[in-house]
Amino acid sequence: GESVGLHLPTLSVQEGDNSIINCAYSNSASDYFIWYKQESGKGPQFIIDIRSNMDKRQGQRVTVLLNKTVKHLSLQIAATQPGDSAVYFCAENFGTGGFKTIFGAGTRLFVKA
Amino acid sequence: DTGVSQDPRHKITKRGQNVTFRCDPISEHNRLYWYRQTLGQGPEFLTYFQNEAQLEKSRLLSDRFSAERPKGSFSTLEIQRTEQGDSAMYLCASSPSEANEKLFFGSGTQLSVL
Repeated sequence: GESVGLHLPTLSVQEGDNSIINCAYSNSASDYFIWYKQESGKGPQFIIDIRSNMDKRQGQRVTVLLNKTVKHLSLQIAATQPGDSAVYFCAENFGTGGFKTIFGAGTRLFVKA
Repeated sequence: DTGVSQDPRHKITKRGQNVTFRCDPISEHNRLYWYRQTLGQGPEFLTYFQNEAQLEKSRLLSDRFSAERPKGSFSTLEIQRTEQGDSAMYLCASSPSEANEKLFFGSGTQLSVL
């Protein structure tokens, strides 16, 4: 796998390796966090979410880690596949009733066969 | 298809013209959102509806932009007197009534202002 620094716009990994995408969020009052995947020509698609009372959540091949102390979120993709190539956005949700979702700038993931 | 649909997929217009986009959310979703996305950036929040009520508007939404959701189902976003800086992907999303719910996005309308 390969770990990248914050705000790096692209990540290139070998097929079968693990990917780690990092994100810094802005509002300490945010209580819900989501990772979205966006393929070319499509809208963002939900991958996994986590609430602020948790620090880890696992899905199918994906894991999200939340560190509220440093306002950091990461997405881990196990056994990365060519179909994982896309732009990944972290998003935070806050505001009255939690209605407004704010997106980060995104990381483009390239998977090399 | 029961996802969020947007029409048109692409729109090319001349500066100064008015354009209108339509969004049909997932039928049981009460909340509807409009976002704008430029190349290489994440979606930016524009406005949000709970049923037919427009509850929040971003400062990004100038007075040339207006959105409606007259019957609490489909929504329209109109841009008057378009400017080249309006060129972007306009995304619509919907979600159920529960708080902190994930968004379901349509494929967007790509606007090019010449």
